[in-house]
Amino acid sequence: QVQLVQSGAEVRKPGASVKVSCKASGYTFSDHAMHWVRQAPGQGLEWMGWIITRNGDIKYSTKFQGRVTITRDTSASTVYMELRTLRSEDTAVYYCARYSSDWYLDFWGQGTLVTVSS
Amino acid sequence: SYVLTQPPSVSVAPGQTARITCRGNNIGSRSVHWYQQKAGQAPVVVVYDDRDRPSGIPERFSGSNSGNTATLSISRVEAGDEADYYCQEWDNSGDHVFGGGTKLTVL
Repeated sequence: QVQLVQSGAEVRKPGASVKVSCKASGYTFSDHAMHWVRQAPGQGLEWMGWIITRNGDIKYSTKFQGRVTITRDTSASTVYMELRTLRSEDTAVYYCARYSSDWYLDFWGQGTLVTVSS
Repeated sequence: SYVLTQPPSVSVAPGQTARITCRGNNIGSRSVHWYQQKAGQAPVVVVYDDRDRPSGIPERFSGSNSGNTATLSISRVEAGDEADYYCQEWDNSGDHVFGGGTKLTVL
């Protein structure tokens, strides 16, 4: 069965960086792109970017361009999302989500809480 | 960037039909997906490509999309349908956009 397992919760100080991982299993990793979506406490979903796992092509949300980097390790079936220059407003649950062949997000990771606090 | 606007909340009595709208400029020309998110859980798609349902989603969930409004309809609403619902689409710039979300309350 398809599973996306994310790394554990993180606490960072303002100005620091965080890198969250998402390990995929149960399907051929390179057959599906992967997205990152975040959700601040009590707020809605916010799309951050996606990576085509087959060739590494990436598209970032204009809001996060320059501050986020999405990468993948095909040998480990893992996608990473690094967010830099963290501020308190970046406190959120970060999700990875698989892009289905019908162009919607069909499987989601369990979420990783990133807390930014001095 | 493209903006999708949803009502913050919708309330409906059990057994009635809930309709949640998602407004965007000429959204009828795009494909819209709908996600359900229950408290403390990751989102789950309930309708994709305007009106299709993934396997396992009840027929009570349906969608439509025309002009400037996409609509998610939930017929015969049950207490278990209480959740936040988000519309989402992929705009011309390649960005994926979510609506602000609608909290469905079952009275």
